[in-house]
Amino acid sequence: GQQVMQIPQYQHVQEGEDFTTYCNSSTTLSNIQWYKQRPGGHPVFLIQLVKSGEVKKQKRLTFQFGEAKKNSSLHITATQTTDVGTYFCALLILPGGTSYGKLTFGQGTILTVHP
Amino acid sequence: KAGVTQTPRYLIKTRGQQVTLSCSPISGHRSVSWYQQTPGQGLQFLFEYFSETQRNKGNFPGRFSGRQFSNSRSEMNVSTLELGDSALYLCASSQGVDTQYFGPGTRLTVL
Repeated sequence: GQQVMQIPQYQHVQEGEDFTTYCNSSTTLSNIQWYKQRPGGHPVFLIQLVKSGEVKKQKRLTFQFGEAKKNSSLHITATQTTDVGTYFCALLILPGGTSYGKLTFGQGTILTVHP
Repeated sequence: KAGVTQTPRYLIKTRGQQVTLSCSPISGHRSVSWYQQTPGQGLQFLFEYFSETQRNKGNFPGRFSGRQFSNSRSEMNVSTLELGDSALYLCASSQGVDTQYFGPGTRLTVL
């Protein structure tokens, strides 16, 4: 089945530095979602990308979907301690002929921000 | 609107026992999905219910089962617990095919 590889597994940055996590697939993706999970918390939906080359921004977060729809990235500019957590990409896999599906998550990138 | 609620939040069981976890979705959401989260395997999809019917199922053994009631509340059951079933079990509700809203999870420890 479709899977995504997410890298890096861990990222330690100093507050103010930028951070990027990547999701890569060997097959073309119909969509990709991004979630954030704070330590001790639950995943929270951030965004969904569906179009080739799509770029979306949420304040300091920039999400990008590759032109070939085989990769995606999440970039955080000037990290803050509130950015700490695990960032997951996820594929919504729709079985043929249906309009519903299941999420397949990447392994996540654990971000640590040192003040 | 109130968010997704899950009960209990913490549970300790011994091997061989069975357990039932409960999830109440956001009002108006008819789809409920269950996920297992462990440090080694990450977030894995268990199953999804919509209008009391299981629409999708992940690759878990038959010991894992679920159901959904007419008010969209859902339960999952794990029988004959094994040590490896220790995990955070997350429930998520949605209206459609995009945003999933996760509950706080039930932390299950199997001794």
